[in-house]
Amino acid sequence: QSVLTQAPSASGTPGQRVTISCSGSRSNVGPNIVSWYQQVPGMAPKLLIYSNDQRPSGVPDRFSGSKSGTSASLAISGLQSEDEADYFCAAWDDSLHGVIFGGGTKLTVL
Amino acid sequence: QVQLQESGPGLVKSSETLSLTCTVSGGSIAGGNYHWTWIRQHPGKGLEWIGYVYDSGSTHSNPSLKSRVAMSVDMAKKQFSLHLSSVTAADTAMYYCARAQTIFAAAPVFDSWGQGTLVTVSS
Repeated sequence: QSVLTQAPSASGTPGQRVTISCSGSRSNVGPNIVSWYQQVPGMAPKLLIYSNDQRPSGVPDRFSGSKSGTSASLAISGLQSEDEADYFCAAWDDSLHGVIFGGGTKLTVL
Repeated sequence: QVQLQESGPGLVKSSETLSLTCTVSGGSIAGGNYHWTWIRQHPGKGLEWIGYVYDSGSTHSNPSLKSRVAMSVDMAKKQFSLHLSSVTAADTAMYYCARAQTIFAAAPVFDSWGQGTLVTVSS
């Protein structure tokens, strides 16, 4: 069971906006920055968001991140078929003294 | 553009040691700017951080694996390695090497990844 909690699945139609949540605690998401990763089936994960809301160069601005308290969110606007993938959140945990990941959310574009 | 490539046996016998190497190309492995990282993913499951190795040679491992994990870095070869001892079927997974920027301290900002290598533990 992951320390960071994500819904196992989400879906949307092309053009829609979807939000994926990541729930943590005062030992991880609360005091530390959150990153988000996109993993297309059969590929390695790709950094999508870092420092809660920053996009690496090359990541479309359709992807945005936010954090409030002990929860973080990834929003994808203008949903496209190519966005169909697994999405993972990650943070450092001060109690476990290690990196933890969410269990992942599988996004389906209907 | 930095590239990372894992290498090592795809099949390891139970109770033996899993050894993998990650070769870094197109960028520096030195300079203190990065943590070099191992992450694994069990089939159909989520991601699990194994640990960091720094260019100083010091390491920081997942507490749940710490007793079985050893990591090292070879600056001259631009490689870093993972050794996981006493493996069982539960260690069957895709193993990834990745790079994290030290500017974010120990935060999981993994900006470059290898393609991954599947390791199966057989009995």
